[in-house]
Amino acid sequence: LAKTTQPISMDSYEGQEVNITCSHNNIATNDYITWYQQFPSQGPRFIIQGYKTKVTNEVASLFIPADRKSSTLSLPRVSLSDTAVYYCLVGPQRGFQKLVFGTGTRLLVSP
Amino acid sequence: DAGVIQSPRHEVTEMGQEVTLRCKPISGHNSLFWYRQTMMRGLELLIYFNNNVPIDDSGMPEDRFSAKMPNASFSTLKIQPSEPRDSAVYFCASRGDRYYEQYFGPGTRLTVT
Repeated sequence: LAKTTQPISMDSYEGQEVNITCSHNNIATNDYITWYQQFPSQGPRFIIQGYKTKVTNEVASLFIPADRKSSTLSLPRVSLSDTAVYYCLVGPQRGFQKLVFGTGTRLLVSP
Repeated sequence: DAGVIQSPRHEVTEMGQEVTLRCKPISGHNSLFWYRQTMMRGLELLIYFNNNVPIDDSGMPEDRFSAKMPNASFSTLKIQPSEPRDSAVYFCASRGDRYYEQYFGPGTRLTVT
């Protein structure tokens, strides 16, 4: 999987929008961008995947610019329960058979 | 479906003892993964199976670790003998048709004293 860089930690308050950016300068043409979320004392959970432009689901939105060298996970109106570690993974679909998790971004949401 | 089931949830053992962790994947999933998570090393893939066959065990730390998947609904990860440095949270995950979406169990927190 491609190397990714994301902030180690972020702080926010309830009700705010949080944007976590992931850099992946060496992304290949057939690579997809996938995000996982890990709550304290739980295993990671898939939240969203995209290839280009914008993807939205009930949990988050994923924005991918035209050059695809970065992506932004957007969490609207966060709550305390969004406190978690967020991992960005980049690779071809079949490459995700073997997930390689980096250090992720630790998001702390405060009241 | 109940999701991926792991047992025990917590295990405390003494150095030198054998430890067996168990996992029941989601029914219908044909791939199973074992991970280990520590503060120092993060989340590491130990081994994964496709259709009960081990595909990649390059992440298994050493010969003290072994994993089996005798059928589609059960897998074990065994550590013999255990050492304090094996203390970690061990996760099992399973995957269906979507390569990028793995479903993780609640984990087993192992403490070796």
